[in-house]
Amino acid sequence: SQQGEEDPQALSIQEGENATMNCSYKTSINNLQWYRQNSGRGLVHLILIRSNEREKHSGRLRVTLDTSKKSSSLLITASRAADTASYFCATGGGYQKVTFGTGTKLQVIP
Amino acid sequence: DVKVTQSSRYLVKRTGEKVFLECVQDMDHENMFWYRQDPGLGLRLIYFSYDVKMKEKGDIPEGYSVSREKKERFSLILESASTNQTSMYLCASSPIMQVLSNQPQHFGDGTRLSIL
Repeated sequence: SQQGEEDPQALSIQEGENATMNCSYKTSINNLQWYRQNSGRGLVHLILIRSNEREKHSGRLRVTLDTSKKSSSLLITASRAADTASYFCATGGGYQKVTFGTGTKLQVIP
Repeated sequence: DVKVTQSSRYLVKRTGEKVFLECVQDMDHENMFWYRQDPGLGLRLIYFSYDVKMKEKGDIPEGYSVSREKKERFSLILESASTNQTSMYLCASSPIMQVLSNQPQHFGDGTRLSIL
């Protein structure tokens, strides 16, 4: 069963613009992770935010978590063509297995 | 650097064949996972293992089995391949889960399997 759902399903922006992706989930979690997948490749872990954190930064990435709304957002600032990829959120509950969403496909146009 | 290696990038098999997909990790991770990825459905967990010879069913185990005889190797077996098992298969590993903590997973590059 899918826990997380990303929105939008696809996003196309110009290089230099910011890209925002959202993730909604259904049950309580201990943490939420974001992954990137380049075309034809495996997933790469980007960032993990714990349920007691509200915001986290890593380079050009900013992740927020609102547990009351059961939602998270991933912001990529000053996007580059190399950011073109699919982005997935994944929710985990401790001993529970991690469950992935269906992904947002981001295209950054040079 | 962390490395998860899947034995084949592309594989073509026939209906009814027994198919083996192999995955090896070099990070001494306790946990290993097999997913399939289909357009519009995201990643779905088939099986995972948290120790040698241990296995747990994921969300879609039907038609599959797994084997973990050594810590670094996790094999996915399609007992009798069918066309609806045509998909991208991804292997991942992670360190042991601590209470209230899920460690990031490290993925291989996937095997694109076609069943004809």
